[in-house]
Amino acid sequence: QKEVEQNSGPLSVPEGAIASLNCTYSDRGSQSFFWYRQYSGKSPELIMSIYSNGDKEDGRFTAQLNKASQYVSLLIRDSQPSDSATYLCAVENFNKFYFGSGTKLNVKP
Amino acid sequence: EPEVTQTPSHQVTQMGQEVILRCVPISNHLYFYWYRQILGQKVEFLVSFYNNEISEKSEIFDDQFSVERPDGSNFTLKIRSTKLEDSAMYFCASSEGTAMGTEAFFGQGTRLTVV
Repeated sequence: QKEVEQNSGPLSVPEGAIASLNCTYSDRGSQSFFWYRQYSGKSPELIMSIYSNGDKEDGRFTAQLNKASQYVSLLIRDSQPSDSATYLCAVENFNKFYFGSGTKLNVKP
Repeated sequence: EPEVTQTPSHQVTQMGQEVILRCVPISNHLYFYWYRQILGQKVEFLVSFYNNEISEKSEIFDDQFSVERPDGSNFTLKIRSTKLEDSAMYFCASSEGTAMGTEAFFGQGTRLTVV
């Protein structure tokens, strides 16, 4: 059973703050890790991918991966109200993707 | 920018009827997927498809479901004898399927309502 665990939230942060989203996974064979953003009623939209231990930055987003701890995180700097959405952690193993249940982020103006 | 397209965007069907959901994956992608998301719940893996055959399927993907790539561009999900609990968003996704760093891109989804 391949589990991907996320805190369902909601996580509320004020505009301009850093939002920190966390994810753990059970399958040590997992190879690639992704963060998707999903607005209500819409499809998941890929925002970050990370494949090796450490940090990866892309604009206001930083993904962090620690394979030894089986832990992935996403930091959103200077959070904006438009960042309010559900963030899905996804783990890939041999071209199969498994999703967490998502963390709902609410950025308050 | 290439994208995954799905039709229809919304399908209403009577219980017991068959539905076919259609997808056009990104053209150079090799792996195709169907996912389901019941309202308010997580995105659930149904099936992956590679080289014209199913590569893996979940326990949800029982004999009621089938997938097909009828031509070089379309990828379809058929649900036979639909049940009320089949009501959900169905997402198609595709990926390049490289050895490392393969990202899955999603279509906009088909909202299936079984009445």
